[in-house]
Amino acid sequence: DGGITQSPKYLFRKEGQNVTLSCEQNLNHDAMYWYRQDPGQGLRLIYYSQIVNDFQKGDIAEGYSVSREKKESFPLTVTSAQKNPTAFYLCASRVGQHQPQHFGDGTRLSIL
Amino acid sequence: RKEVEQDPGPFNVPEGATVAFNCTYSNSASQSFFWYRQDCRKEPKLLMSVYSSGNEDGRFTAQLNRASQYISLLIRDSKLSDSATYLCVVSLYNQGGKLIFGQGTELSVKP
Repeated sequence: DGGITQSPKYLFRKEGQNVTLSCEQNLNHDAMYWYRQDPGQGLRLIYYSQIVNDFQKGDIAEGYSVSREKKESFPLTVTSAQKNPTAFYLCASRVGQHQPQHFGDGTRLSIL
Repeated sequence: RKEVEQDPGPFNVPEGATVAFNCTYSNSASQSFFWYRQDCRKEPKLLMSVYSSGNEDGRFTAQLNRASQYISLLIRDSKLSDSATYLCVVSLYNQGGKLIFGQGTELSVKP
């Protein structure tokens, strides 16, 4: 079954800790994206990657880092510099620039 | 001003009603347009793309007016299962085809 898999579903971060959210897709999509959603708000773009070994900052990249070493994988690290990390994190991918994006089922991150 | 603005919600309608959502966008570099639906605590799912000529998918009709920078979604014969938040989304021609999301309009269909 083709799709986007995010893990874990729930994650708790301690003060000063970095945590990494996983996103894997087997759709053979070139472009991948990370969004953050806060309650009652729209999705905001954190980082995106249009091709392996290349990625760009989105609107709210501070406190986050990514890598794109393989086409299938686009992990997001929430660093200790991100002071308000509690949110719903969504990974998406798409086949072409003007095609719709398809989302994984998300990771909920909370602070311990 | 937000780049994508939607009707404030929530919309509370009875089963069988027709409901219309409106959306305006401000960036003239907007190239592609979509409606997504998002259920509570779930990921957004594509409902339909929106084409310049307008398009229909069963009970759902989407319209685009590029001159007015306006997008609409019409739902006919509402079902209980249509209850969700509807997101208006535009894709920019530049910036890697980045998606800009409206804040969403909540729909609640009652028996």
